[in-house]
Amino acid sequence: GAVVSQHPSRVICKSGTSVKIECRSLDFQATTMFWYRQFPKQSLMLMATSNEGSKATYEQGVEKDKFLINHASLTLSTLTVTSAHPEDSSFYICSASGGGGNTIYFGEGSWLTVV
Amino acid sequence: QKEVEQDPGPLSVPEGAIVSLNCTYSNSAFQYFMWYRQYSRKGPELLMYTYSSGNKEDGRFTAQVDKSSKYISLFIRDSQPSDSATYLCAPGAGANNLFFGTGTRLTVIP
Repeated sequence: GAVVSQHPSRVICKSGTSVKIECRSLDFQATTMFWYRQFPKQSLMLMATSNEGSKATYEQGVEKDKFLINHASLTLSTLTVTSAHPEDSSFYICSASGGGGNTIYFGEGSWLTVV
Repeated sequence: QKEVEQDPGPLSVPEGAIVSLNCTYSNSAFQYFMWYRQYSRKGPELLMYTYSSGNKEDGRFTAQVDKSSKYISLFIRDSQPSDSATYLCAPGAGANNLFFGTGTRLTVIP
């Protein structure tokens, strides 16, 4: 079946630095990718929706200048957390659609810890 | 009114029990009904999906949709400890427009 890969699975960075998370669709072209954030024992919170070749659409309350999303190709989207702070520590998950069926597949998630 | 309502649980059942997980939704335009399973510290994985009303069965799992009452269910028969996870319902008008429930945490006790 369709697979979405996320990298890195875990990252620790220093406060004030930027970190990039990649999301790749491995066997289908993802016309749309989604980025979520999830705090422990809480539900998924949609951060933004990105369509290949266009600017991402951010959910209310999500800072677009802090969470930079690039969807430059049909198989890759990146989320860059700029000037990270400890409160940005969270589980970030991407998902992708466009595999020919009306389904969304999720990546394995990336744990970000800002120290 | 929220698009999707799901009881967060937690729900604990003994091994072998039948589990019923449920969601309600508010938008009558929803046609796609997904269930995702999320193990601790992992991304959600698509478990089942149905289109429009009716039932769909896959092994020990049955997904049920009642569009007239805007009620969706996931049944797990002969539950196993490996079924312990958080289950998220996700109805929507299409794959690009899903609304996720808060998830129900299920623990199956050996």
